[in-house]
Amino acid sequence: EADIYQTPRYLVIGTGKKITLECSQTMGHDKMYWYQQDPGMELHLIHYSYGVNSTEKGDLSSESTVSRIRTEHFPLTLESARPSHTSQYLCASSDGGLGDTEAFFGQGTRLTVV
Amino acid sequence: AQSVTQPDIHITVSEGASLELRCNYSYGATPYLFWYVQSPGQGLQLLLKYFSGDTLVQGIKGFEAEFKRSQSSFNLRKPSVHWSDAAEYFCAVGDPGGGADGLTFGKGTHLIIQP
Repeated sequence: EADIYQTPRYLVIGTGKKITLECSQTMGHDKMYWYQQDPGMELHLIHYSYGVNSTEKGDLSSESTVSRIRTEHFPLTLESARPSHTSQYLCASSDGGLGDTEAFFGQGTRLTVV
Repeated sequence: AQSVTQPDIHITVSEGASLELRCNYSYGATPYLFWYVQSPGQGLQLLLKYFSGDTLVQGIKGFEAEFKRSQSSFNLRKPSVHWSDAAEYFCAVGDPGGGADGLTFGKGTHLIIQP
């Protein structure tokens, strides 16, 4: 059973608000990832981290930022939410590269900006 | 750049019938290939993966997939579906060449099971 958790599961927030989506894993994985998933569309990598103090941007440009101060924690922040940020955000972790080992996914945060 | 195509957005299958979900990829060499399943309101769960060796891969929940290099395909199959198999299925490609990290996903196939 995967031990990776995302909170909140659902969030409805007004335009201009600052939000932080939480992601925590208890597996001791060094690598963590954030994907954005729109309905009926593929997942797009927006951020990833190789370990503490490491953050990289993914294939899809995003106005969000991430931090990795602790191995188990990889929060994603939007300084000023807009309706275009409405989407589902999935966090994942792996103990190797995501392309060659199993990734474990959280249940996702469905964000709606009104 | 690598890409993944899942040509079927929706597939409807009767319970007990066989299933095949199609996946085609574009990549310069042999990639790492994955199938994930996403149940409603849940994250993604790995069904199976192919790295090398035997081109027929067995996964969890009775699923299997066959890698066909000549067709650049990695189709997912199950001989007899159960109502609990209704979900979204994603094919994904990984880069064994050490390129950009992360997986490239297809757009997914929504599987509907008829009683």
